[in-house]
Amino acid sequence: DTEVTQTPKHLVMGMTNKKSLKCEQHMGHRAMYWYKQKAKKPPELMFVYSYEKLSINESVPSRFSPECPNSSLLNLHLHALQPEDSALYLCASRGVEGDSIRRNEQFFGPGTRLTVL
Amino acid sequence: AQKITQTQPGMFVQEKEAVTLDCTYDTSDPSYGLFWYKQPSSGEMIFLIYQGSYDQQNATEGRYSLNFQKARKSANLVISASQLGDSAMYFCAMRESGNNRLAFGKGNQVVVIP
Repeated sequence: DTEVTQTPKHLVMGMTNKKSLKCEQHMGHRAMYWYKQKAKKPPELMFVYSYEKLSINESVPSRFSPECPNSSLLNLHLHALQPEDSALYLCASRGVEGDSIRRNEQFFGPGTRLTVL
Repeated sequence: AQKITQTQPGMFVQEKEAVTLDCTYDTSDPSYGLFWYKQPSSGEMIFLIYQGSYDQQNATEGRYSLNFQKARKSANLVISASQLGDSAMYFCAMRESGNNRLAFGKGNQVVVIP
């Protein structure tokens, strides 16, 4: 199973709503990522979890709150978002094998298209 | 400082022809990996090909090959025999050793025309 799944595929929310994005992988990967991507731009890293611990937070506003309940699941809790937060949110995972560079490509999920009204 | 540079404007390619997408990178780490991803309009990021900095031979995966010129710090993607389904954004990316981050270039838009 080389698949990363994300739900929902599409989400429309108001600025006062609370919603969550979910990501799941069963490849035994111990690094999981959240990215935000605007149209025609590269993905921007938001958070990295390594062995279920938050290892990187790229100065993301607190209205985005990540959570890693276990090694297979990654959530992104959303609250009081702004219209400029509308984007494609991508989850990814990667096997971690020490510091050596191996192929260890990131596997991406299909993304959640978020629209904030 | 930008680590990955993709500067080509959007490209139109005739079906069945080959296309080369340019990528240059900047690192002082001797150990790194280079990746190419394809992103169709549907949004999913699809891994295409990988080149390790110590790999002696250029990587190939089916119709995809990587022209790796280490001294010039370039890792160009070659797509042979283009198909309509190759129309997408293509991103070059690099990961340095001991780093969980993947640095992406700005991407190349490719449109394959029949």
